[in-house]
Amino acid sequence: AAGVIQSPRHLIKEKRETATLKCYPIPRHDTVYWYQQGPGQDPQFLISFYEKMQSDKGSIPDRFSAQQFSDYHSELNMSSLELGDSALYFCASSAGTVKDNEQFFGPGTRLTVL
Amino acid sequence: AQKITQTQPGMFVQEKEAVTLDCTYDTSDPSYGLFWYKQPSSGEMIFLIYQGSYDQQNATEGRYSLNFQKARKSANLVISASQLGDSAMYFCAMREGIGNEKLTFGTGTRLTIIP
Repeated sequence: AAGVIQSPRHLIKEKRETATLKCYPIPRHDTVYWYQQGPGQDPQFLISFYEKMQSDKGSIPDRFSAQQFSDYHSELNMSSLELGDSALYFCASSAGTVKDNEQFFGPGTRLTVL
Repeated sequence: AQKITQTQPGMFVQEKEAVTLDCTYDTSDPSYGLFWYKQPSSGEMIFLIYQGSYDQQNATEGRYSLNFQKARKSANLVISASQLGDSAMYFCAMREGIGNEKLTFGTGTRLTIIP
């Protein structure tokens, strides 16, 4: 079965650079979520999109922006990167028709800021 | 206040024994869902089991079962006949509301299975 796809899987950037993370949800899933998991931490919700519109916003820095495109894939854009942005970034997707709105997680993008 | 509390930072369990991972939650929303995820050292987040607030019976999925005690606001994960491959970080998470809502995670429990 198709799963959530995230690219790239690993990314190394310098401070003050920009990064773009991509997420391709499971086909026919209409909602995408982004989570950030710092080293030794639990995942923290950043932002979500439903039918290409922002549906909820968590602790996402102003330096970050995201959007969902017409094909439902989503991109998380991160600018002026800081050392503290080093983390595992998960994308998850869900659909209203899926049992209990289960969120399926992608494998994550590990971002390292040097 | 913490929405999800996991009080066991780490646990060591002998292989083939059953293990219970604790999770308590806090919400005033009558509609919510509780999830357990497994995160091995490779990093991926693997869905294990789900319990809805209106579900009358405890959820079960293979060797995983959820001991849901609504009045006590607890949703403990029980793993029967533990295996070496069960060694991982386990997160309890909650979704408040009935729509496509975000998950709030606990701090996790690192489970180590001893041969």
